[in-house]
Amino acid sequence: QVQLVQSGAEVKKPGSSVKVSCKASGGTFSSYAISWVRQAPGQGLEWMGGIIPIFGTANYAQKFQGRVTITADESTSTAYMELSSLRSEDTAVYYCAITKGLTVTTYFDYWGQGTLVTVSS
Amino acid sequence: SYVLTQPPSVSVAPGQTARITCGGNNIGSKSVHWYQQKPGQAPVLVVYDDSDRPSGIPERFSGSNSGNTATLTISRVEAGDEADYYCQVWDSSSDHKVFGTGTKVTVL
Repeated sequence: QVQLVQSGAEVKKPGSSVKVSCKASGGTFSSYAISWVRQAPGQGLEWMGGIIPIFGTANYAQKFQGRVTITADESTSTAYMELSSLRSEDTAVYYCAITKGLTVTTYFDYWGQGTLVTVSS
Repeated sequence: SYVLTQPPSVSVAPGQTARITCGGNNIGSKSVHWYQQKPGQAPVLVVYDDSDRPSGIPERFSGSNSGNTATLTISRVEAGDEADYYCQVWDSSSDHKVFGTGTKVTVL
């Protein structure tokens, strides 16, 4: 059973950046694809992008192109999502989620617990 | 971009059947996955590849997909099924994962 443990809640100022981590255990990190999904308060789920760690290249949703960077460190089985130029609309719970197999195209088997990012002056 | 439309809410009495639709252009040509999300929790996969169930998901949860509509059916609804449900596909034209707008299921 794979477990994904995310870093803790963050409070950020508008214009700053945030970096959220997601550590995987109980599985083979190199056989997964990892995505980031966010959920604004009272809203639905929104895919931000994903990465296949053994390939190292990330695929980003057009909405976040240029503002989001997704990386992965195989040595620590940890994925990261950095979002820059934060604005109040970025206040949301950010989830990491795993897709088994070397593809981001299919369903999410496991999810992290979520990290609340609050953007406020 | 590809849009998936779900009804905002569905209400159902205990023991009855809830049907949640997910509409999209020619969605029948795509693989549809469904997630259940309870308040304050991460989503959980309940149906994948249109109609398959992960281990541990009750047989009461089933799915179908044809034409422009995919459907998640919850039979013999229980109070514990009250949650938000989201459909999801991969849009190959944009290389994006797309989620539906979400449906809140209320058990009366």
